[in-house]
Amino acid sequence: DAGVIQSPRHEVTEMGQEVTLRCKPISGHDYLFWYRQTMMRGLELLIYFNNNVPIDDSGMPEDRFSAKMPNASFSTLKIQPSEPRDSAVYFCASRKRGGRTDTQYFGPGTRLTVL
Amino acid sequence: DAKTTQPPSMDCAEGRAANLPCNHSTISGNEYVYWYRQIHSQGPQYIIHGLKNNETNEMASLIITEDRKSSTLILPHATLRDTAVYYCIVRVNDYKLSFGAGTTVTVRA
Repeated sequence: DAGVIQSPRHEVTEMGQEVTLRCKPISGHDYLFWYRQTMMRGLELLIYFNNNVPIDDSGMPEDRFSAKMPNASFSTLKIQPSEPRDSAVYFCASRKRGGRTDTQYFGPGTRLTVL
Repeated sequence: DAKTTQPPSMDCAEGRAANLPCNHSTISGNEYVYWYRQIHSQGPQYIIHGLKNNETNEMASLIITEDRKSSTLILPHATLRDTAVYYCIVRVNDYKLSFGAGTTVTVRA
């Protein structure tokens, strides 16, 4: 299994530009999570999906952030317009409910720098 | 969610056991204790979790006190690759994990 795949691994953009982060969860997993990690705030949950449906988006910082999951194998996190304070590492994780180790598997992250 | 308290850092000698403490005095009866770790520049990695009984897997052992107010993660034979930040999280489930500052563990040769 390839694990959770995220792209791009690094993104540098200028303030005001649109940024799209992509995630492919582990096949067969029915939960998908988006996290953000910064030095100041640590690792924070932004939103999570169950069977492609957003369940809890209370962690999404503001309307500039949006997330979609059009099918079971793909999700995007979009920031429009981006701001320097959005600079962070964004992680995607997936989970399969049930079983002894029904826990989250994290991707390698996307390091976003907004200039 | 119950709040957890972990020491900010600890050192461990390679080949020795590493014992990582976690206090969770306000834990509820249906809350599990989860441990994750994050190696530098990587995503967090699940280690182990438990409710009441001690647990062991190929990575570590989890010892939970009888009153469940504290627990200890044990890495039986620490290697340099175990250098990471270790997070103790208490939750009913792991749908909304909230990662605190964790314990930075440095394994020294």
